[in-house]
Amino acid sequence: QSVLTQPASVSAAPGQKVTISCSGSSSNIGRNYVSWYLQVPGTPPKLLTYDNNKRPSGIPDRFSGSKSGTSATLGITGLQTGDEADYYCGTWDSSLSAVVFGGGTKLTVL
Amino acid sequence: QLQLQESGPGLVKPSETLSLTCTVSGDDSISSSDLYWGWIRQPPGKGLEWIGSIHYSGSIYYNASLKSRVTISVDTSKNQFSLKLSSVTAADTTLYYCARHAYRSPESGFDNWGQGILVAVSS
Repeated sequence: QSVLTQPASVSAAPGQKVTISCSGSSSNIGRNYVSWYLQVPGTPPKLLTYDNNKRPSGIPDRFSGSKSGTSATLGITGLQTGDEADYYCGTWDSSLSAVVFGGGTKLTVL
Repeated sequence: QLQLQESGPGLVKPSETLSLTCTVSGDDSISSSDLYWGWIRQPPGKGLEWIGSIHYSGSIYYNASLKSRVTISVDTSKNQFSLKLSSVTAADTTLYYCARHAYRSPESGFDNWGQGILVAVSS
């Protein structure tokens, strides 16, 4: 049981936009920055966004992060078949003094 | 370019101690970076579980569910940090990653990851 809640799967057509939600609480998302990761099976996770909405160099602006209250959202526009992967949200939980992750969302590009 | 590489035995016997090392090379060093460095594990086909993170100064945070069995340490002279997990069981069979936090806080995301090492617990 993950501290952060994500949908198990989402899907959309190539070229479309998709959003992935991440729900937490006042002790984690509500007071700390959120990061999003992309993981292609068989490879390590890759940081997509951090500090809620910042992108590391090299990450295209098709990927965007946002946060409102105790929830965060990853948006992906102009979907490509190469975007098929598992996506994880993560943040710090101030009550647990721990890094916490969502259970992951599998994106299928139909 | 920063590289992190996990190393250690791929097979550990039940009740023994799992020991892994992460070697940092390239554009960064553990001491000069002033960053936190962490361990994360992932059972095949499942989600990510944070194990703990360490700063070269000795500041350490552990996952409470593993804290009684985990020790993370750093060797700045070798630019390495290590994980020891005692009293392992089959439930500890998983892929272990080492990673770097993005800035000087364990609250920051992980911006660089090793390739991971699969460790099996079996007699």
